[in-house]
Amino acid sequence: EIVLTQSPDFQSVTPKEKVTITCRASQTIGNNLHWYQQKPDQSPKLLIKYASQSISGVPSRFSGSGSGTDFTLTINSLEAEDAAAYYCHQSSGLPLTFGGGTKVEIK
Amino acid sequence: DVQLLESGGGLVQPGGSLRLSCAASGFTFGRNAMTWVRQAPGKGLEWVSVISGSGDITYFGDSVKGRFTVSRDNSKNTLYLQMNSLRAEDTAVYYCAKSFTSNWDANLDYWGRGTLVTVSS
Repeated sequence: EIVLTQSPDFQSVTPKEKVTITCRASQTIGNNLHWYQQKPDQSPKLLIKYASQSISGVPSRFSGSGSGTDFTLTINSLEAEDAAAYYCHQSSGLPLTFGGGTKVEIK
Repeated sequence: DVQLLESGGGLVQPGGSLRLSCAASGFTFGRNAMTWVRQAPGKGLEWVSVISGSGDITYFGDSVKGRFTVSRDNSKNTLYLQMNSLRAEDTAVYYCAKSFTSNWDANLDYWGRGTLVTVSS
């Protein structure tokens, strides 16, 4: 099983700050890594696919990078509406797995 | 617009069964694999199962293998999850999600709102 380790688990951030969330895979997964945002009491929403590909309708302040085993989700100039949990997900091998999540709180 | 609407959740006793449904619209249903993901209260996301677009290939997570089955009716644009021998640890919100391709190896580009399953006596 491919284990995805996210860090940090929790981050409290001031609006307009930059946020960086990392996701490390237990084995190489190429670029088969996706990011989701889950706001309180909502279902997850796709933010970034295949490590760095943007999604239509997602604000440009969200970006992704990485390949192999190390990946990063960056939120430039955080806004209040970005308060949410963020999950990485790999589609390289079965079972499909998710990272443990990173909760971003707005100060 | 793509819409996914889960139903069938509820309270069930340990050892019982439940069938979840996911009604899909806004896309050509048979062209995409479909996935079930669950989320226990206050916890993260856990992959449960995936079924190919044609319905002939299915996979399950170890925690549900042998107890859950997944199927789809492409003529009705509906996905199903049959859950048997339910345990307290199966308590979760169950989401259906659309895969980007017809196979399991892709991102999940649309999610339903979820249906809550509670296993308790």
